[in-house]
Amino acid sequence: EPEVTQTPSHQVTQMGQEVILRCVPISNHLYFYWYRQILGQKVEFLVSFYNNEISEKSEIFDDQFSVERPDGSNFTLKIRSTKLEDSAMYFCASRAGRAGQPQHFGDGTRLSIL
Amino acid sequence: AQTVTQSQPEMSVQEAETVTLSCTYDTSESNYYLFWYKQPPSRQMILVIRQEAYKQQNATENRFSVNFQKAAKSFSLKISDSQLGDTAMYFCAFMNFGNEKLTFGTGTRLTIIP
Repeated sequence: EPEVTQTPSHQVTQMGQEVILRCVPISNHLYFYWYRQILGQKVEFLVSFYNNEISEKSEIFDDQFSVERPDGSNFTLKIRSTKLEDSAMYFCASRAGRAGQPQHFGDGTRLSIL
Repeated sequence: AQTVTQSQPEMSVQEAETVTLSCTYDTSESNYYLFWYKQPPSRQMILVIRQEAYKQQNATENRFSVNFQKAAKSFSLKISDSQLGDTAMYFCAFMNFGNEKLTFGTGTRLTIIP
């Protein structure tokens, strides 16, 4: 069964550094998402992406965050200048085109900011 | 804004027994989708079951079924004949029709005891 894949599985970065988290969504999916889960807390929506542009973003997704689909297969989340509070598990998800179809999640990238 | 509440942080049950996880939500919308996701220790979030709010019939997937009470805004998950592999964190999630994001509850950690 096709899967969403994320790399790396764990990223350790110094505060203030830029980090790029990578995702390969399921190939025929059209909608892409990033969520994060701070340790011990609920999963929170960050951003949705469709037709090469952001369709919705949360308050968390400020100017330090950006997303890109550079080559038609990868979907990346960039954090420009990381803060300690960015430490979390980041999940990528994708879904097919029809309304109400479930989102399929990757294994996540654990981001640790030192 | 929609909210999802899971009032049981942890539950445990003997193998082969039946367990019900509760979920309530708050919305003013009439057309939406509800999901249960499972997150085993391996981290990947896996879709368990999906319910469309305009369908009165409760969704079932093998040993998993839901009790969807639209008027009460309740969406509980029943796991029958529980197995050791059901041990995981279970998240209830809500999505408005036409809206992209999933809103998650805080999760219930379910342990199946041999």
